Amino acid sequence: EDKVVQSPLSLVVHEGDTVTLNCSYEVTNFRSLLWYKQEKKAPTFLFMLTSSGIEKKSGRLSSILDKKELFSILNITATQTGDSAIYLCAVEDNAGNNRKLIWGLGTSLAVNP
Amino acid sequence: GAVVSQHPSRVICKSGTSVKIECRSLDFQATTMFWYRQFPKKSLMLMATSNEGSKATYEQGVEKDKFLINHASLTLSTLTVTSAHPEDSSFYICSASRHGVTDTQYFGPGTRLTVL
Repeated sequence: EDKVVQSPLSLVVHEGDTVTLNCSYEVTNFRSLLWYKQEKKAPTFLFMLTSSGIEKKSGRLSSILDKKELFSILNITATQTGDSAIYLCAVEDNAGNNRKLIWGLGTSLAVNP
Repeated sequence: GAVVSQHPSRVICKSGTSVKIECRSLDFQATTMFWYRQFPKKSLMLMATSNEGSKATYEQGVEKDKFLINHASLTLSTLTVTSAHPEDSSFYICSASRHGVTDTQYFGPGTRLTVL
């Protein structure tokens, strides 16, 4: 059964800390892995990863995919209180051109001043 | 726990027809369900929020007469795209939360709609 597992489920850090969020997956027809940040209602798209070893970077956030070990990490450096959110990982499965998203349960990050 | 399903996973229809997409919470009761549309660059646009037994709250710019949402039970919400046009072709995703808009959302696998 296809699944996406995120860890940790919850994390509390102080401003300035660096955090690493994990997303591992078992998906039969992997197409891509997506990271989202959810603060209120709608998740905000962060990264899409399709190839191993190529780091995607946006400001203090970066992410990388390992298709051999079937996981991705999302790094946030010099965290700020505004980084407090739920970070969602989803994998696109594309079996027989029938696309679906398999979602992790998210990592809830709280950054304290 | 917290599994959300959508049906169908893929639908192709002719322009002018209506299409219904179902969103079900399989192992929990969802007070609130959300409907999103995913764009080609993967961003998610919230279309509407529905609470069981009451009218949906639509986001600005979303036509409520075109995208009919029904949340008749604690485990089922439906999105009906009425008089579909090619520009409605998209990937529609629902999510469900147990206790309202501020609670954790659990996402469905999405439905790809293609309007010819």
